[in-house]
Amino acid sequence: EAQVTQNPRYLITVTGKKLTVTCSQNMNHEYMSWYRQDPGLGLRQIYYSMNVEVTDKGDVPEGYKVSRKEKRNFPLILESPSPNQTSLYFCASSFLLAGYNEQFFGPGTRLTVL
Amino acid sequence: GQQLNQSPQSMFIQEGEDVSMNCTSSSIFNTWLWYKQDPGEGPVLLIALYKAGELTSNGRLTAQFGITRKDSFLNISASIPSDVGIYFCAGAQGGTYKYIFGTGTRLKVLA
Repeated sequence: EAQVTQNPRYLITVTGKKLTVTCSQNMNHEYMSWYRQDPGLGLRQIYYSMNVEVTDKGDVPEGYKVSRKEKRNFPLILESPSPNQTSLYFCASSFLLAGYNEQFFGPGTRLTVL
Repeated sequence: GQQLNQSPQSMFIQEGEDVSMNCTSSSIFNTWLWYKQDPGEGPVLLIALYKAGELTSNGRLTAQFGITRKDSFLNISASIPSDVGIYFCAGAQGGTYKYIFGTGTRLKVLA
């Protein structure tokens, strides 16, 4: 089954404790992206990647890191989480074809930073 | 960061009614997308628009890419209970794969 998976689905942590949220897709997509969703703010793009070893900042990259060592995986790293990073996080992927923008979203990871 | 202005924020409608929502921006976009998000799930793409003036349908859904490239609207005809959810518009600017999302329209359908 074609899908985007995220782990963990739920995470409660404390300020300053490094964490990684994994994202994996099995559709051979070149493009992958991370978003955070907050009430009243919709989805905001954190980072995106056009292919292996190619990443770029989205609208709200501060406090986050990403890596793209393999095509299928795009982990989101919070080196020193803070309470303002409490949010619902989505990973998405798509093919990188001109004029084709269907992103497939993962199920989301709800992160709480105390 | 940049955001799209989406309205209305929420709507309560009767089953069978038509629904209209729109998105506006101060910037020009080359692509407009409309997504629906069900509770506890990620957004799912409904319609993608790639040309100014383009009008595209997907079943009971119709969306248009504004001539100015700064707006888009989504219509849902003859709403049914499963239309409940949050609808997001999103735009991508030329030459980038950086997506800007609207704040969402929460739709509730009363049977």
